Amino acid sequence: NAGVMQNPRHLVRRRGQEARLRCSPMKGHSHVYWYRQLPEEGLKFMVYLQKENIIDESGMPKERFSAEFPKEGPSILRIQQVVRGDSAAYFCASSPGRALSSYEQYFGPGTRLTVT
Amino acid sequence: DAKTTQPPSMDCAEGRAANLPCNHSTISGNEYVYWYRQIHSQGPQYIIHGLKNNETNEMASLIITEDRKSSTLILPHATLRDTAVYYCIVINAGGFKTIFGAGTRLFVKA
Repeated sequence: NAGVMQNPRHLVRRRGQEARLRCSPMKGHSHVYWYRQLPEEGLKFMVYLQKENIIDESGMPKERFSAEFPKEGPSILRIQQVVRGDSAAYFCASSPGRALSSYEQYFGPGTRLTVT
Repeated sequence: DAKTTQPPSMDCAEGRAANLPCNHSTISGNEYVYWYRQIHSQGPQYIIHGLKNNETNEMASLIITEDRKSSTLILPHATLRDTAVYYCIVINAGGFKTIFGAGTRLFVKA
């Protein structure tokens, strides 16, 4: 059973460009989460999605950032007009969410975004 | 969700048990204790979770005090590869938002 997959693993963008980060959850998982980790800092929750629905986006910056999890295909985190402060590791996690006690999340290897 | 308090760092000798404490004195009745770890630059890894009973799996054991105000993650025979930041998190049943604190940096030394 393949784990959570993220691509690209490394992404370099110039200021003002768009960044698209992809996440394929584990097979059978319908819940996806995105986190951001700045260098030498902890993980910060950004958004929680189920298929075709955004459940909680309270951690997402109000502008330039968006996320989707379509019926078919991977979840996408999109950052428009990137700035240097967006440079970070972005982690995706998935969970089955079937039972009240089964909210363990399985993380991907992350995408390291560098904005030059 | 209840907040947690963990020591910022700990050392452990290779082959010995590593006991990582976590205080969650404001935990409520329907909140679970989850543990994750993050090995340098990698994605966090789920370790174990529990409600009130002690739990054990192939990675670790989780001991939760009777009043549920604290817990201890036990790695029975630590190896160098267990060097990581360990996060203790409390999540309520039906909740999903996983708030990662600073965690405990565990250094396993040869």
